[in-house]
Amino acid sequence: KAGVTQTPRYLIKTRGQQVTLSCSPISGHRSVSWYQQTPGQGLQFLFEYFSETQRNKGNFPGRFSGRQFSNSRSEMNVSTLELGDSALYLCASRPLAGSGYGYTFGSGTRLTVV
Amino acid sequence: AQRVTQPEKLLSVFKGAPVELKCNYSYSGSPELFWYVQYSRQRLQLLLRHISRESIKGFTADLNKGETSFHLKKPFAQEEDSAMYYCALTTGANSKLTFGKGITLSVRP
Repeated sequence: KAGVTQTPRYLIKTRGQQVTLSCSPISGHRSVSWYQQTPGQGLQFLFEYFSETQRNKGNFPGRFSGRQFSNSRSEMNVSTLELGDSALYLCASRPLAGSGYGYTFGSGTRLTVV
Repeated sequence: AQRVTQPEKLLSVFKGAPVELKCNYSYSGSPELFWYVQYSRQRLQLLLRHISRESIKGFTADLNKGETSFHLKKPFAQEEDSAMYYCALTTGANSKLTFGKGITLSVRP
């Protein structure tokens, strides 16, 4: 079956703009999480959605937001982009929320803010 | 708060040598521990989970609650093991994955 699909693969944006990233989970997976990966900070949790509800949120400013649709697809939005938002954004899905279920990651969207 | 520490950034060994990638965690409860691997130009993928007690690609990891460690081991490294390895933790109450900084394993011929 198809893996976790993230679009687009690459994005270049200007400071102050906003951006929307998309994630399609594995079919049947209802939980979707987002992570930011940078060389300095490593992998950091952004948020997790399950059944269209945000279950958990990491320590990121309110400029970072997300949502999940009824088909489990998810989007994350970053408003008023800053240079420091340049990163690889990873989406991960799993069948259900809660411990005991492993995450499957997508290839990521590489965002460059100039 | 939970934390995962991978004390080394790089481990370089020769093919056939034993490998141990260290991972220590801090969490007061009972966490679930994972090892993820990222090969060059590939996506992050799950290598193994402590609750499965399985061996994947010759790798094993044992959870030591007394030492709060979850070290990854392989008796004989192969060149195709060269990759970035991340240790991660999640808990029952808080489902997010907390990652260590990762370690690059380089296996030389």
